Amino acid sequence: GAGVSQSPSNKVTEKGKDVELRCDPISGHTALYWYRQSLGQGLEFLIYFQGNSAPDKSGLPSDRFSAERTGGSVSTLTIQRTQQEDSAVYLCASSLAGQGGYEQYFGPGTRLTVT
Amino acid sequence: AQSVSQHNHHVILSEAASLELGCNYSYGGTVNLFWYVQYPGQHLQLLLKYFSGDPLVKGIKGFEAEFIKSKFSFNLRKPSVQWSDTAEYFCVVHGSSNTGKLIFGQGTTLQVKP
Repeated sequence: GAGVSQSPSNKVTEKGKDVELRCDPISGHTALYWYRQSLGQGLEFLIYFQGNSAPDKSGLPSDRFSAERTGGSVSTLTIQRTQQEDSAVYLCASSLAGQGGYEQYFGPGTRLTVT
Repeated sequence: AQSVSQHNHHVILSEAASLELGCNYSYGGTVNLFWYVQYPGQHLQLLLKYFSGDPLVKGIKGFEAEFIKSKFSFNLRKPSVQWSDTAEYFCVVHGSSNTGKLIFGQGTTLQVKP
């Protein structure tokens, strides 16, 4: 079956611009996660959705970062006024439910480069 | 704070050598433990997981890991590596108080020479 998909696969943007990253989870998965993978910081949790609500936003690094999920499916991660330190691979994952007992399936990621 | 520490950043082995990647975590409660792997150019994928029961768990491609609660460790092993095992390996922890968020170790890059 179809896995988690993300778009775009690569995004180059100028410092100060806003970007939107999209994630399509596996159909039927109620939980959705965003992570960020960057040199020197490893893989960091950003935000978790259960359905359309986000009970855990603890990993968002600043108020320039926001995310939403609609229809219990697609999610968008928005970064406003991008900075060079935002350059990273942004990974989306989904799972059947939100507790830790369920495997998280990862997408291919969006590589964001801020120039 | 919860954390995961992987002992080796970069490991180079010859084919048929045995592999052991060390992982220790810091968390005071019940944990679920995972090893994820990222092959070159591919997505992160689950290698194996431990939730409860037998502390020795087996995963795909001949990998296994042993959970030692007293040592807060979850080391990954494979008796004989292949060139196709070249990848980055992540030890991952989910703490029982978490919403589902995973805590990743820094990753270990394994290079297997043919």
